[in-house]
Amino acid sequence: QAGLTQPPSVSKDLRQTATLTCTGNSNNVGNQGAAWLQQHLGHPPKLLFYRNDNRPSGISERLSASRSGNTASLTITGLQPEDEADYYCSAWDSSLSAWVFGGGTKLTVL
Amino acid sequence: QLQLQESGPGLVKPSETLSLTCTVSGGSISSSSYYWGWIRQPPGKGLEWIGSINYSGSTYYNPSLMSRVTISVDTSKNQFALKLSPVTAADTAVYYCARKGSGPSDFFDFWGQGTLVTVSS
Repeated sequence: QAGLTQPPSVSKDLRQTATLTCTGNSNNVGNQGAAWLQQHLGHPPKLLFYRNDNRPSGISERLSASRSGNTASLTITGLQPEDEADYYCSAWDSSLSAWVFGGGTKLTVL
Repeated sequence: QLQLQESGPGLVKPSETLSLTCTVSGGSISSSSYYWGWIRQPPGKGLEWIGSINYSGSTYYNPSLMSRVTISVDTSKNQFALKLSPVTAADTAVYYCARKGSGPSDFFDFWGQGTLVTVSS
């Protein structure tokens, strides 16, 4: 089943800015928008954004999300040790009639 | 505070049926504002959506799993359930239950802690 494409890993220094990308197509990210999840080791995923840039309550304003065409992006500014985690994107795929996920990006804060 | 808790056997034999239940507390599963779903994650791998159901029993499934999956709801117990059959070793995963708003732009906003199911003889 076709999924969304994310870089496997990103490494950035403490207090720097990281931008994670998620590439799909016109049936998913480009049409329906993307959601972003954060997952720390041994914990369930946590919703960060839905429908591109909608932020649930309690999510830090150091995080922002956007979409351009078929690519969604998650930006984290002022990186902190607690930002080190796996990040997944997801979108509804109208051709597959299914929620699809990216393979995840492991963010390392150096 | 809404809580979701998965329960069920942690070990299932190949070719048998995986059965899990998600108990919802701190909120009603009968609300028309939400769908309830199952998502799984093989060890060390990414997430895969299995399927979703609402309070009236309306379901939609991942086409790749549809022939083997059944999701049901029991509003009297505030629970929904997953059955997957027959299983193989490839079905070994942490299984999460989660809540999703009923709007087209909503996503899974509350997740259970997950339960590991191993398929092995």
